[in-house]
Amino acid sequence: TQLLEQSPQFLSIQEGENLTVYCNSSSVFSSLQWYRQEPGEGPVLLVTVVTGGEVKKLKRLTFQFGDARKDSSLHITAAQTGDTGLYLCAGTGNTGKLIFGQGTTLQVKP
Amino acid sequence: SAVISQKPSRDICQRGTSLTIQCQVDSQVTMMFWYRQQPGQSLTLIATANQGSEATYESGFVIDKFPISRPNLTFSTLTVSNMSPEDSSIYLCSALRVRGTGNTIYFGEGSWLTVV
Repeated sequence: TQLLEQSPQFLSIQEGENLTVYCNSSSVFSSLQWYRQEPGEGPVLLVTVVTGGEVKKLKRLTFQFGDARKDSSLHITAAQTGDTGLYLCAGTGNTGKLIFGQGTTLQVKP
Repeated sequence: SAVISQKPSRDICQRGTSLTIQCQVDSQVTMMFWYRQQPGQSLTLIATANQGSEATYESGFVIDKFPISRPNLTFSTLTVSNMSPEDSSIYLCSALRVRGTGNTIYFGEGSWLTVV
């Protein structure tokens, strides 16, 4: 069974601080996605990484896929209150299904 | 992009009753999935909805409790049967579109069920 371990599960920081969320597995994933979800809505895709070692940037968000395609990280620079939400990593498993990490609830305080 | 409509978006249900959630995608997709999500927590895959055949269930989920239909490439239903308060959750429909340029997964906005 392919599993994704996401950490930390809760994060409360002040506006302007930096943070990193990690997603790790013992299995190889063909691709890995990061989602952000707000209350009352479905997950919204932020990025997909497919190549080992790949780094993608989305404004203040930097996503990295490990060389072995078993881990990924999301780094947010100078967090803003609008970044508050649930962040989910998800990997495409060998059966084509999307396997989710436990999620990280981020609270950015003004 | 694909748009996924789910209904109901929210409902309060009596213990012991059953409720069917509908998921409509605005264009053909390869695969459809149903997830369950407790508020503030991650998503747990219930099953893959197969077109024209029985759904493929994940460990811990059974057809008698969560019957699923997918009569065509754009529509699926999930029924939560004989509900108990433990079934109170958000149920999300997801669709996978496979293309030569890559796979894309879309999510509905979820159906929030409260069982009383």
